[in-house]
Amino acid sequence: GENVEQHPSTLSVQEGDSAVIKCTYSDSASNYFPWYKQELGKGPQLIIDIRSNVGEKKDQRIAVTLNKTAKHFSLHITETQPEDSAVYFCAASNNNDMRFGAGTRLTVKP
Amino acid sequence: SAVISQKPSRDICQRGTSLTIQCQVDSQVTMMFWYRQQPGQSLTLIATANQGSEATYESGFVIDKFPISRPNLTFSTLTVSNMSPEDSSIYLCSGTDRSSYNEQFFGPGTRLTVL
Repeated sequence: GENVEQHPSTLSVQEGDSAVIKCTYSDSASNYFPWYKQELGKGPQLIIDIRSNVGEKKDQRIAVTLNKTAKHFSLHITETQPEDSAVYFCAASNNNDMRFGAGTRLTVKP
Repeated sequence: SAVISQKPSRDICQRGTSLTIQCQVDSQVTMMFWYRQQPGQSLTLIATANQGSEATYESGFVIDKFPISRPNLTFSTLTVSNMSPEDSSIYLCSGTDRSSYNEQFFGPGTRLTVL
């Protein structure tokens, strides 16, 4: 089955800096790669996703890149703000069989 | 995106009892999923719930322990049976629709503590 690895497990940045979270997956059949943000006491919120026919996608300060050959994808957050502090999960999916990474706790220091 | 609500939001239960968690979606979804999330950990899929058929359980999860109902396209329940302290966790439901092509939207979760 699919195995998703996520790094780093914790990340601390200064407000205004960029943050990068990386994930690798094992199943070459995976074709959908979402990123979720989870704040304390809340459910995961979909923030951006990318499909296997696209290499990069951007939405304001958030971007995701996908390298299908190397089976890895990354989340980039620019101009970080304290409200970006949360746990971020990557996931890889093949026809609704979705597997999650272990999560990255991002702390943005004001 | 679909809006998903769960009841209860949290509960404290005695070992040996059972708790049923409800998941309501504000629109029809073809597939619903139940996850477990231990504090500080990632999400582990318990089962996939489809209307009109039995739920499909992941390895390590069985129907006798986690019976699931899916009576229609907007509602599902998960029961945690004969609870023990090891069942203390956050339980999350999510839904997806074919038209949204694999996008899963999550409820706020149910925080369960078993004493």
